[in-house]
Amino acid sequence: AAGVIQSPRHLIKEKRETATLKCYPIPRHDTVYWYQQGPGQDPQFLISFYEKMQSDKGSIPDRFSAQQFSDYHSELNMSSLELGDSALYFCASSSDREFDEQYFGPGTRLTVT
Amino acid sequence: AQKVTQAQTEISVVEKEDVTLDCVYETRDTTYYLFWYKQPPSGELVFLIRRNSFDEQNEISGRYSWNFQKSTSSFNFTITASQVVDSAVYFCALSRTKAAGNKLTFGGGTRVLVKP
Repeated sequence: AAGVIQSPRHLIKEKRETATLKCYPIPRHDTVYWYQQGPGQDPQFLISFYEKMQSDKGSIPDRFSAQQFSDYHSELNMSSLELGDSALYFCASSSDREFDEQYFGPGTRLTVT
Repeated sequence: AQKVTQAQTEISVVEKEDVTLDCVYETRDTTYYLFWYKQPPSGELVFLIRRNSFDEQNEISGRYSWNFQKSTSSFNFTITASQVVDSAVYFCALSRTKAAGNKLTFGGGTRVLVKP
C-alpha cells in the first residue's frame, strides 16, 4: 500500500538559510499534518490542512509557513533557520473519516549548522 | 488543554518477558481518541493501536494488548513475550474529534530495551 512520502529525507543547512520540506499524502487522503520532533523529545504539532485550507495551528514559529496544494501535497517553508530548528520533521495524512488514524511519513531530518 | 503523561522513561527487559507501558491522559472532551505509536531506532513513527473514548473494551492483537480505563484516565499497553525487535520508543497519544481539530498530543515516550 502507498505510504506518505517526504522529501528530502535529510537536509543540512546553515544558520539564516531557508529550507523547504515536501510531503505527499496517501492517495485520497485530504488532511495533512506537520509535526516537529527535537532530539530526545516527543513530536510536537505544528500545523494541519484540510482540503487545502489551514485547519489547525500549533506552536509553529512565525518564520515557518506551510500550504497544501491542489494535488493535496504540502510544503513546509522554513526561513532564517536557527540551530534550534534542527529536528525530525514528520508529515502525516488522514482521510476525512472521523475515526481514521494519522499515517506518518518517514520524516525529514533537518540539521542546521 | 490536553495532556498525556508517560511516567516511565525507560524500561529494560530480557527477551520473552512481558512489558507494560503506562499512559495517563487529561482531557475535558467527552469524545476523544487514544493511540499508541512505536518509533524504532530508524526513526519512523509506526501506528500500533487506536481506541475511541466510548469503547472501553480491552483487546488483544497478537502480542499486543491494551487496558483502557476511563475512570482512571489510563490507557496502558502490554507487549507479551517481548522480542529484540520490540526495542523502540513507544508514544501514547491523544486527539480530539476531527471537528474540534484532531492534532495528536503525545506523551514523552517510553524507551523499551529488550535484551537477548
